[in-house]
Parts: sequence; structure tokens; C-alpha cells
Amino acid sequence: AQSVTQLGSHVSVSEGALVLLRCNYSSSVPPYLFWYVQYPNQGLQLLLKYTTGATLVKGINGFEAEFKKSETSFHLTKPSAHMSDAAEYFCAVATDSWGKFQFGAGTQVVVTP
Amino acid sequence: DSGVTQTPKHLITATGQRVTLRCSPRSGDLSVYWYQQSLDQGLQFLIQYYNGEERAKGNILERFSAQQFPDLHSELNLSSLELGDSALYFCASSVRRGQDTQYFGPGTRLTVL
Repeated sequence: AQSVTQLGSHVSVSEGALVLLRCNYSSSVPPYLFWYVQYPNQGLQLLLKYTTGATLVKGINGFEAEFKKSETSFHLTKPSAHMSDAAEYFCAVATDSWGKFQFGAGTQVVVTP
Repeated sequence: DSGVTQTPKHLITATGQRVTLRCSPRSGDLSVYWYQQSLDQGLQFLIQYYNGEERAKGNILERFSAQQFPDLHSELNLSSLELGDSALYFCASSVRRGQDTQYFGPGTRLTVL
């Protein structure tokens, strides 16, 4: 069985400040990990994903995430927040099995001037 | 644009009615997933089809059913609708399964009055 926990349903950051969104997972097998972003009234869009190899993954829009197996975490960061980063962010975990793709509850990011 | 199309964009209907949501996956993708997104439940996985066959079931009610046709488009049928079925319904597609990136459509917003 697998599960995803996103810490903090709402995060407020100042423009130019660090964005840090936390995601912890549990999985009985090596996981594949994803971060998706959802802008208002739109579908989800992939930011980045970890499958194998380098544990620091770079994605679109300046985001990156680091897979830490010992901490079962896959936190998302961006050094400097932009107003356009205001959106909801979802962490997801999958395994190499059918349909085992689970999303976290989501974190709403608000960027203040 | 993810390449996944969903119709209709909006649907307003009454309790007890039946509706059909349609999804066309990205060219070349064999897997189709359906999700329900609501304020109280978050993003819930409903069902997955791969190349015409059901592969995984999530939190899908018995009043709901889906199928994937030979041309790989998919339909989600919702019957005996209740007020609580009001939600955004997303379709996503991927090449195969599990670890593959899912590409999301823009969603169908269902309102049950």
C-alpha cells in the first residue's frame, strides 16, 4: 500500500522568497514521485518527477525537488517565488503497478507582493 | 495544452438524472484515468483503463461506470445523480501505467441541482 501526505494545506509566501512545499510518502516498493500544479479552472500539469537515478530533480518554472529515501520525502522548492506561482500543488506517488497512483491532498500557495 | 480533450466543459443537471462525460487521450497514450475533484474529498482516483480493458478501480461508486472504446476514447457514465456528485471530473492519459506521467484534460464541471 502507498500513501502521500502533504504538510500544510495553505502556504503563504512573499514574492521573491523561498517556496518550500513538503511531501512525505509511504510505499512498500520503490516509488515513482511526482509534483503537479493546478492553476485556477485548469487541469493538473506536471512540474517534475522522480523515477530513478539522480535524486535532485529539476522541473519547469524553476522548481526542483529532492528524493530522500531515508526521510521518505520529496519536498518541492523554488528559490524565489513569483506571483505566477500562485496555484495548488499536488504531490503524487506511483509504483510499477496498474492504477496505483495516489495524490496528496494538495497545498494552496498564495504569493503576496 | 496537454493533448487530452474532455467534453463537455460544463454540465448542469438535476438529481436522479444520468450523464456521460467524454475523454479523448493524447495520441499514442493507451491508458486513461478518471478522477473526481471536490472541495471536501480532494482529488480522488476513480478508475483506469488500458487499451480497452479496466485495470484498476479506486473510489468509484456503483452508480458510476466507464469504458474505453477501440479508438481509445473513454466515457464516464454517472447515473441516479445526487447533489454530492457535483464536482470537477478529470480525465488523464499516459503511455502505459504506474510510473508514466499522466497528462490531464481541462475537466468537466458537473453541477447537480
